[in-house]
Amino acid sequence: QKEVEQDPGPLSVPEGAIVSLNCTYSNSAFQYFMWYRQYSRKGPELLMYTYSSGNKEDGRFTAQVDKSSKYISLFIRDSQPSDSATYLCAMSAGGGSYIPTFGRGTSLIVHP
Amino acid sequence: SAVISQKPSRDICQRGTSLTIQCQVDSQVTMMFWYRQQPGQSLTLIATANQGSEATYESGFVIDKFPISRPNLTFSTLTVSNMSPEDSSIYLCSVEAELTSGRAVTYEQYFGPGTRLTVT
Repeated sequence: QKEVEQDPGPLSVPEGAIVSLNCTYSNSAFQYFMWYRQYSRKGPELLMYTYSSGNKEDGRFTAQVDKSSKYISLFIRDSQPSDSATYLCAMSAGGGSYIPTFGRGTSLIVHP
Repeated sequence: SAVISQKPSRDICQRGTSLTIQCQVDSQVTMMFWYRQQPGQSLTLIATANQGSEATYESGFVIDKFPISRPNLTFSTLTVSNMSPEDSSIYLCSVEAELTSGRAVTYEQYFGPGTRLTVT
Protein backbone atom coordinates (compact mmCIF):
# COMPACT_ATOMS: atom_id res chain seq x y z
CA GLN A 1 0.00 0.00 0.00
CA LYS A 2 1.35 3.41 -0.97
CA GLU A 3 1.66 6.02 1.75
CA VAL A 4 -0.62 8.40 -0.15
CA GLU A 5 -3.40 7.23 -2.45
CA GLN A 6 -5.08 9.51 -4.96
CA ASP A 7 -7.39 8.61 -7.83
CA PRO A 8 -5.76 9.85 -11.05
CA GLY A 9 -9.07 10.47 -12.81
CA PRO A 10 -9.65 12.16 -15.17
CA LEU A 11 -12.59 13.87 -13.52
CA SER A 12 -14.76 15.74 -16.00
CA VAL A 13 -17.39 18.20 -14.76
CA PRO A 14 -19.51 20.98 -16.27
CA GLU A 15 -18.71 24.59 -15.49
CA GLY A 16 -20.30 25.70 -12.22
CA ALA A 17 -20.20 22.24 -10.62
CA ILE A 18 -18.86 21.54 -7.16
CA VAL A 19 -15.73 19.42 -7.39
CA SER A 20 -14.49 17.08 -4.69
CA LEU A 21 -10.92 15.79 -4.83
CA ASN A 22 -9.69 13.33 -2.24
CA CYS A 23 -6.63 11.55 -0.88
CA THR A 24 -6.16 8.86 1.71
CA TYR A 25 -2.96 8.14 3.57
CA SER A 26 -1.53 5.52 5.88
CA ASN A 27 1.16 7.38 7.87
CA SER A 28 -0.39 8.66 11.10
CA ALA A 29 2.63 10.92 11.63
CA PHE A 30 1.54 13.28 8.86
CA GLN A 31 0.59 16.66 10.31
CA TYR A 32 0.88 19.04 7.37
CA PHE A 33 -1.44 18.70 4.39
CA MET A 34 -1.10 20.54 1.12
CA TRP A 35 -2.79 20.74 -2.24
CA TYR A 36 -0.77 21.67 -5.30
CA ARG A 37 -2.20 22.61 -8.69
CA GLN A 38 -0.29 21.79 -11.85
CA TYR A 39 -1.23 23.19 -15.21
CA SER A 40 -0.09 21.44 -18.37
CA ARG A 41 3.63 21.94 -19.04
CA LYS A 42 4.12 23.81 -15.77
CA GLY A 43 5.52 22.88 -12.37
CA PRO A 44 3.15 22.33 -9.43
CA GLU A 45 2.26 25.37 -7.33
CA LEU A 46 0.91 25.42 -3.78
CA LEU A 47 -2.83 26.03 -3.65
CA MET A 48 -3.85 25.30 -0.06
CA TYR A 49 -2.10 24.34 3.16
CA THR A 50 -3.61 22.95 6.37
CA TYR A 51 -2.04 21.98 9.64
CA SER A 52 -3.64 19.05 11.50
CA SER A 53 -7.39 18.39 11.28
CA GLY A 54 -10.09 20.83 10.29
CA ASN A 55 -11.25 22.98 7.42
CA LYS A 56 -9.67 25.90 5.64
CA GLU A 57 -11.39 28.10 3.12
CA ASP A 58 -9.85 30.37 0.48
CA GLY A 59 -12.28 31.85 -2.01
CA ARG A 60 -13.86 29.03 -3.99
CA PHE A 61 -11.52 26.45 -2.47
CA THR A 62 -12.00 24.53 0.79
CA ALA A 63 -9.47 22.08 2.18
CA GLN A 64 -10.66 19.52 4.70
CA VAL A 65 -8.58 17.16 6.82
CA ASP A 66 -9.93 14.23 8.85
CA LYS A 67 -6.96 12.71 10.62
CA SER A 68 -9.08 10.08 12.36
CA SER A 69 -10.00 8.65 8.96
CA LYS A 70 -6.68 9.58 7.32
CA TYR A 71 -8.63 11.33 4.60
CA ILE A 72 -8.22 14.77 3.06
CA SER A 73 -10.36 16.61 0.56
CA LEU A 74 -10.28 19.67 -1.64
CA PHE A 75 -13.58 21.19 -2.68
CA ILE A 76 -13.91 23.63 -5.54
CA ARG A 77 -17.15 25.60 -5.73
CA ASP A 78 -18.47 27.16 -8.93
CA SER A 79 -15.77 25.42 -10.95
CA GLN A 80 -14.40 27.27 -13.98
CA PRO A 81 -12.66 26.03 -17.13
CA SER A 82 -9.53 27.75 -15.79
CA ASP A 83 -9.57 25.25 -12.91
CA SER A 84 -8.74 22.49 -15.39
CA ALA A 85 -5.42 21.13 -14.14
CA THR A 86 -3.92 18.27 -12.20
CA TYR A 87 -4.35 18.54 -8.43
CA LEU A 88 -1.76 16.83 -6.24
CA CYS A 89 -2.17 16.25 -2.55
CA ALA A 90 0.99 16.28 -0.44
CA MET A 91 1.69 15.73 3.21
CA SER A 92 4.57 15.74 5.65
CA ALA A 93 5.21 14.86 9.27
CA GLY A 94 7.15 17.95 10.29
CA GLY A 95 9.52 17.88 13.24
CA GLY A 96 12.51 17.98 10.91
CA SER A 97 10.84 15.80 8.28
CA TYR A 98 9.42 18.43 5.95
CA ILE A 99 9.93 16.82 2.55
CA PRO A 100 6.36 16.10 1.43
CA THR A 101 5.03 12.81 0.14
CA PHE A 102 2.91 13.42 -2.94
CA GLY A 103 -0.13 11.67 -4.32
CA ARG A 104 -0.30 10.75 -8.03
CA GLY A 105 -2.48 13.74 -8.81
CA THR A 106 -6.06 13.91 -10.10
CA SER A 107 -6.64 15.35 -13.56
CA LEU A 108 -9.63 17.72 -13.51
CA ILE A 109 -11.39 18.90 -16.66
CA VAL A 110 -14.04 21.60 -16.36
CA HIS A 111 -15.90 21.97 -19.63
CA PRO A 112 -17.91 25.08 -20.57
CA SER B 1 8.46 33.48 -3.67
CA ALA B 2 11.37 32.18 -5.71
CA VAL B 3 11.43 32.19 -9.50
CA ILE B 4 12.98 29.06 -10.92
CA SER B 5 14.02 28.42 -14.51
CA GLN B 6 15.12 25.16 -16.07
CA LYS B 7 16.98 24.30 -19.26
CA PRO B 8 16.20 22.57 -21.50
CA SER B 9 12.41 22.64 -21.31
CA ARG B 10 12.25 19.40 -23.28
CA ASP B 11 14.51 17.03 -25.14
CA ILE B 12 14.40 13.78 -27.06
CA CYS B 13 17.49 11.66 -26.51
CA GLN B 14 18.79 8.32 -27.68
CA ARG B 15 19.30 5.49 -25.26
CA GLY B 16 22.80 5.23 -23.86
CA THR B 17 23.42 8.98 -23.95
CA SER B 18 23.38 11.48 -21.07
CA LEU B 19 21.51 14.73 -20.55
CA THR B 20 22.34 17.52 -18.12
CA ILE B 21 19.47 19.66 -16.86
CA GLN B 22 20.16 23.09 -15.42
CA CYS B 23 18.21 24.84 -12.68
CA GLN B 24 18.61 28.54 -11.90
CA VAL B 25 16.94 30.34 -8.97
CA ASP B 26 16.57 34.11 -8.76
CA SER B 27 17.67 34.26 -5.12
CA GLN B 28 20.07 32.41 -2.86
CA VAL B 29 18.52 29.34 -1.28
CA THR B 30 19.88 26.76 1.11
CA MET B 31 17.97 23.73 -0.09
CA MET B 32 17.45 22.68 -3.71
CA PHE B 33 15.76 19.46 -4.73
CA TRP B 34 15.35 17.33 -7.82
CA TYR B 35 12.14 15.42 -8.47
CA ARG B 36 10.95 13.01 -11.12
CA GLN B 37 7.36 12.91 -12.35
CA GLN B 38 6.65 9.84 -14.44
CA PRO B 39 3.35 9.49 -16.29
CA GLY B 40 0.64 8.37 -13.86
CA GLN B 41 3.04 8.29 -10.93
CA SER B 42 3.55 10.46 -7.88
CA LEU B 43 6.12 13.19 -7.79
CA THR B 44 9.21 11.40 -6.48
CA LEU B 45 12.18 13.03 -4.81
CA ILE B 46 15.47 12.01 -6.42
CA ALA B 47 17.90 13.92 -4.24
CA THR B 48 18.66 17.03 -2.24
CA ALA B 49 21.38 19.16 -3.83
CA ASN B 50 23.74 20.41 -1.14
CA GLN B 51 26.01 23.36 -1.75
CA GLY B 52 29.62 22.48 -1.11
CA SER B 53 29.03 18.78 -0.49
CA GLU B 54 27.72 15.67 -2.18
CA ALA B 55 24.01 15.42 -2.90
CA THR B 56 21.80 13.33 -0.62
CA TYR B 57 20.01 10.64 -2.64
CA GLU B 58 16.69 8.99 -1.83
CA SER B 59 16.24 5.25 -1.81
CA GLY B 60 16.32 3.86 -5.33
CA PHE B 61 18.44 6.66 -6.79
CA VAL B 62 22.23 6.57 -7.09
CA ILE B 63 24.92 9.09 -7.88
CA ASP B 64 26.29 7.16 -10.86
CA LYS B 65 22.92 7.37 -12.60
CA PHE B 66 21.92 10.87 -11.46
CA PRO B 67 25.03 12.94 -10.71
CA ILE B 68 24.18 16.34 -9.27
CA SER B 69 26.24 19.49 -8.97
CA ARG B 70 25.54 22.51 -6.75
CA PRO B 71 28.35 25.01 -7.28
CA ASN B 72 26.59 27.92 -5.54
CA LEU B 73 23.37 28.92 -3.77
CA THR B 74 21.43 29.78 -6.96
CA PHE B 75 22.32 27.00 -9.40
CA SER B 76 22.24 23.23 -9.70
CA THR B 77 22.47 20.60 -12.42
CA LEU B 78 21.09 17.08 -12.67
CA THR B 79 22.55 14.65 -15.19
CA VAL B 80 20.58 11.62 -16.32
CA SER B 81 23.27 9.16 -17.37
CA ASN B 82 23.25 6.21 -19.74
CA MET B 83 19.58 6.80 -20.47
CA SER B 84 16.98 4.14 -21.23
CA PRO B 85 13.32 4.57 -22.23
CA GLU B 86 12.39 4.04 -18.56
CA ASP B 87 14.03 7.41 -17.82
CA SER B 88 11.41 9.20 -19.93
CA SER B 89 9.84 11.56 -17.45
CA ILE B 90 9.47 15.14 -16.35
CA TYR B 91 12.34 16.28 -14.15
CA LEU B 92 11.62 19.14 -11.77
CA CYS B 93 13.87 21.33 -9.72
CA SER B 94 12.47 22.85 -6.52
CA VAL B 95 13.38 25.01 -3.55
CA GLU B 96 11.60 25.23 -0.23
CA ALA B 97 10.08 28.20 1.56
CA GLU B 98 8.78 28.38 5.09
CA LEU B 99 5.06 28.11 5.76
CA THR B 100 3.57 29.06 9.11
CA SER B 101 0.15 28.45 10.62
CA GLY B 102 0.16 29.86 14.12
CA ARG B 103 3.01 28.07 15.86
CA ALA B 104 3.14 25.29 13.31
CA VAL B 105 5.97 25.60 10.80
CA THR B 106 6.53 23.56 7.70
CA TYR B 107 7.88 24.17 4.21
CA GLU B 108 6.30 24.40 0.80
CA GLN B 109 8.06 23.48 -2.39
CA TYR B 110 8.45 25.99 -5.21
CA PHE B 111 8.90 24.16 -8.48
CA GLY B 112 10.50 25.05 -11.75
CA PRO B 113 8.58 24.48 -15.01
CA GLY B 114 10.17 21.07 -15.51
CA THR B 115 12.19 19.37 -18.22
CA ARG B 116 10.26 16.88 -20.32
CA LEU B 117 12.62 14.09 -21.34
CA THR B 118 11.82 11.40 -23.90
CA VAL B 119 14.32 8.60 -24.44
CA THR B 120 14.01 6.58 -27.66
